[in-house]
Amino acid sequence: GAGVSQSPRYKVAKRGQDVALRCDPISGHVSLFWYQQALGQGPEFLTYFQNEAQLDKSGLPSDRFFAERPEGSVSTLKIQRTQQEDSAVYLCASSFLQAGIPDTQYFGPGTRLTVL
Amino acid sequence: DAKTTQPPSMDCAEGRAANLPCNHSTISGNEYVYWYRQIHSQGPQYIIHGLKNNETNEMASLIITEDRKSSTLILPHATLRDTAVYYCIVGYGSSNTGKLIFGQGTTLQVKP
Repeated sequence: GAGVSQSPRYKVAKRGQDVALRCDPISGHVSLFWYQQALGQGPEFLTYFQNEAQLDKSGLPSDRFFAERPEGSVSTLKIQRTQQEDSAVYLCASSFLQAGIPDTQYFGPGTRLTVL
Repeated sequence: DAKTTQPPSMDCAEGRAANLPCNHSTISGNEYVYWYRQIHSQGPQYIIHGLKNNETNEMASLIITEDRKSSTLILPHATLRDTAVYYCIVGYGSSNTGKLIFGQGTTLQVKP
């Protein structure tokens, strides 16, 4: 497809489990962003990649959160030892241009994570 | 924290223009005003952006005041499918990595 895809769309995890969320950005897009959206709130920035380089991870809430984009395309957000407060929708977005240049971000449908 | 202030909710009659206000009194000279919307259970969708001048595209118009401290998003003929949360975002200064800082947004309810 032509848009940003994310998988799985829904994930239920028991507290303490590790999870991995996948993002397939639009082909050729340089920039990739991860956001976390709690119920009833606006999305909050987690981390940013320019190609394979992670240039900003200031929004990651703890060292249990880890993101990678090894080949500059697909990205994975990993959460270790999940906690109930990690329950949220995780959104991925990509844009064609590099950071600092105004550009449209294209969002995927998100992965809804529920931690029991 | 978000740099913008928006009303939490608004109603609009189908077929009428929807005017969504946004205050961004601390905007700096190189920051753009962006509007995104989020329909229920979907990811946010880009609508429009501008720096100083008014902008128009196939979805909406953006009116920015001369002092750039506020703006208005105009949906000229609202339809039921325009019911969504609308986010006004200020960003893309030269020191910014491009991350979007969302606030609470305005929930627009278009009614038949």
